[in-house]
Amino acid sequence: DAKTTQPTSMDCAEGRAANLPCNHSTISGNEYVYWYRQIHSQGPQYIIHGLKNNETNEMASLIITEDRKSSTLILPHATLRDTAVYYCIVRMITGGGNKLTFGTGTQLKVEL
Amino acid sequence: NAGVTQTPKFQVLKTGQSMTLQCAQDMNHEYMSWYRQDPGMGLRLIHYSVGAGITDQGEVPNGYNVSRSTTEDFPLRLLSAAPSQTSVYFCASSTSSSYNEQFFGPGTRLTVL
Repeated sequence: DAKTTQPTSMDCAEGRAANLPCNHSTISGNEYVYWYRQIHSQGPQYIIHGLKNNETNEMASLIITEDRKSSTLILPHATLRDTAVYYCIVRMITGGGNKLTFGTGTQLKVEL
Repeated sequence: NAGVTQTPKFQVLKTGQSMTLQCAQDMNHEYMSWYRQDPGMGLRLIHYSVGAGITDQGEVPNGYNVSRSTTEDFPLRLLSAAPSQTSVYFCASSTSSSYNEQFFGPGTRLTVL
C-alpha cells in the first residue's frame, strides 16, 4: 500500500472548518484513500473513503486532487468531540483481507 | 447489534504466561483482523482472516497465534508473553466487499511484567 504523509498536529476553533491534509504521492490507480479517526483510547472509527471524485457524507467531505497525489479531509463545523487522531490510509481496492496500514496520523485539537 | 466486542478490557500478565484475547462480532462479517497499538504510534496488523478456517499473517505476527473456527469469533493467543507485547490490542471486522469499512472493538489493554 502507498505511504501517506500527514502533519503531526493541527488546531481548530470550534465551529470552524477543520481541513486535514494528506500526501500520498505514490498512490496507484487501484488504491482508495480512506480516513479513520481515533478518539482517545477508543477503537478507530471509519469516516469516509474515495477513489477519484470528491465525496461527502454526514461526517465529512473528502477532496482528492486530480492527480490523486494528495487529499484533504474537511470537517465543516468542528466541535470539541472531533478532537482525535485522524489517519489517512491508502488501500488497494481488492484483495489483502482489507488490511489497513496506519501511520501516526494527525492529532486534531478543537478548542473553544 | 453489539458490533465488535473484546474481552477482557484490561489484563496484566507475567513474563512467560499465556493467554487468549477474545474477539466476537455479530454482523456476519467475513473479514476479521487483530491490530496492536503502542504509545504514540498507529495500529499495526498482527493477523487477519478472510473467512472461517482461513488466517494469514500481518506485519507483526511473531509471538501470536490465531484461529477462525466460526464466522463470529477470532481469538488471539499469546503463547509466552513478553514485556514487548505490552500494548493495546484492537480487533476489527468488515464485509468482503471492495468498499468495506472496518468496525473496531473497544480494545484490550495488556501489560506484561
